[in-house]
Amino acid sequence: EILMMQSPDTLSVSPGERVTLSCRASQSVSSNLAWYQQRPGQAPRLLMYDSSTRATGVPARFSGSGSGTEFTLTISSLQSEDFAVYYCQQYLYWPPGYTFGQGTKLEIK
Amino acid sequence: EVQVVESGGGLVQPGRSLRVSCTASGFRFGDFTVSWFRQAPGKGLEWLGYIQAKIHGGTIEYAASVEGRFTISRDDYKNIAYLQMNSLQIEDTARYYCARARDVLQWRPDGFDMWGPGTVVIVSA
Repeated sequence: EILMMQSPDTLSVSPGERVTLSCRASQSVSSNLAWYQQRPGQAPRLLMYDSSTRATGVPARFSGSGSGTEFTLTISSLQSEDFAVYYCQQYLYWPPGYTFGQGTKLEIK
Repeated sequence: EVQVVESGGGLVQPGRSLRVSCTASGFRFGDFTVSWFRQAPGKGLEWLGYIQAKIHGGTIEYAASVEGRFTISRDDYKNIAYLQMNSLQIEDTARYYCARARDVLQWRPDGFDMWGPGTVVIVSA
């Protein structure tokens, strides 16, 4: 069974700071990893796919890296609209299909 | 406007059935794989299943947690995808989202870039 684990659960940061979110897979998923952002009260939004490819319209301050079991999402300079929950998701293993991490909440310090 | 919008949620008793819909507009719905997700109150995201575009064979795949109880279908003439949910339980209470695949060329998408606002299903006696 593939498990996706994100750390930390919550991160308190100030606007303008650089932040790195982590995602670990229990088995190698190669680069078959996506990141989603979910702002309060909104639907998820695709940020990254293939670990490091920004989805259409995603600002350049977002970057993704990693392969195998260790992945990171970096936001170079936090804007107010970036305070949200971030989910990683693997799509290599079928079954079980798309598997999400538990999410990391970015909150304003 | 290019969008997908869910509808059909509501309050349902345990053991009953409900069908929610995902209505698309502004794009060639039939060309895209569509997936269903849900999010229980205060919890994370859970994938439920998807239905491929007919150009990719129209295959339907489900998460193990709902296979046999939930059925996904689509009507490309009406630009609607459906999620039929049977034998609903308290733990099925959630906001249900449909989402469109990022890339028409992929038979198994690497991401979903258009999500609806969701529809809320509450299972309660």
